[in-house]
Amino acid sequence: SAVISQKPSRDICQRGTSLTIQCQVDSQVTMMFWYRQQPGQSLTLIATANQGSEATYESGFVIDKFPISRPNLTFSTLTVSNMSPEDSSIYLCSVVWGRGAAGLEQYFGPGTRLTVT
Amino acid sequence: AQTVTQSQPEMSVQEAETVTLSCTYDTSESDYYLFWYKQPPSRQMILVIRQEAYKQQNATENRFSVNFQKAAKSFSLKISDSQLGDAAMYFCAYRSAGTGTYKYIFGTGTRLKVLA
Repeated sequence: SAVISQKPSRDICQRGTSLTIQCQVDSQVTMMFWYRQQPGQSLTLIATANQGSEATYESGFVIDKFPISRPNLTFSTLTVSNMSPEDSSIYLCSVVWGRGAAGLEQYFGPGTRLTVT
Repeated sequence: AQTVTQSQPEMSVQEAETVTLSCTYDTSESDYYLFWYKQPPSRQMILVIRQEAYKQQNATENRFSVNFQKAAKSFSLKISDSQLGDAAMYFCAYRSAGTGTYKYIFGTGTRLKVLA
């Protein structure tokens, strides 16, 4: 399995500021994903982050608001820019990892709980 | 587009009893994967069980088993001998088996309470 860590685990930020969330994986993975999970709700995919290329954003999410870096196969960052209270959420990093197409599974980090005041 | 529906926002079960969580999905694809994920209050999501659509046999992992009905597009999770540690949010998820397709589609979740 892939072990994922995220920093920070939680933060309280003021509106208008930015926060960068780090995601570290103990294995080399091609694809990383960033999700948002608002309180009591399901996971919404923000973007797919491939090493060596621009991140691919889902509908409703834009690079200016959620810039992503993927400098190598074990690390990625997500920045939440110009935050507003509506950005209060849990942000989850995940990877798809395994042997062969049938063996691929998705592993999740512990999440970053963001509160914007 | 594929969708995943979990119609039970919350379920309760007595300790040691059995509970079934429902999931239905919609897809036009014939080959795909289905998953159940557990998210305890500590919030780290972990994989409970997976099912390949091309396999007729229902997946089983210890106390967890699924009832996969491909024609009905139904994928329920049965938890036997429920334990207090099973209390969590459970998410059903779908992934296409297409090459290069790794996006997961999640349902809205079912909160499971286990009563002592």
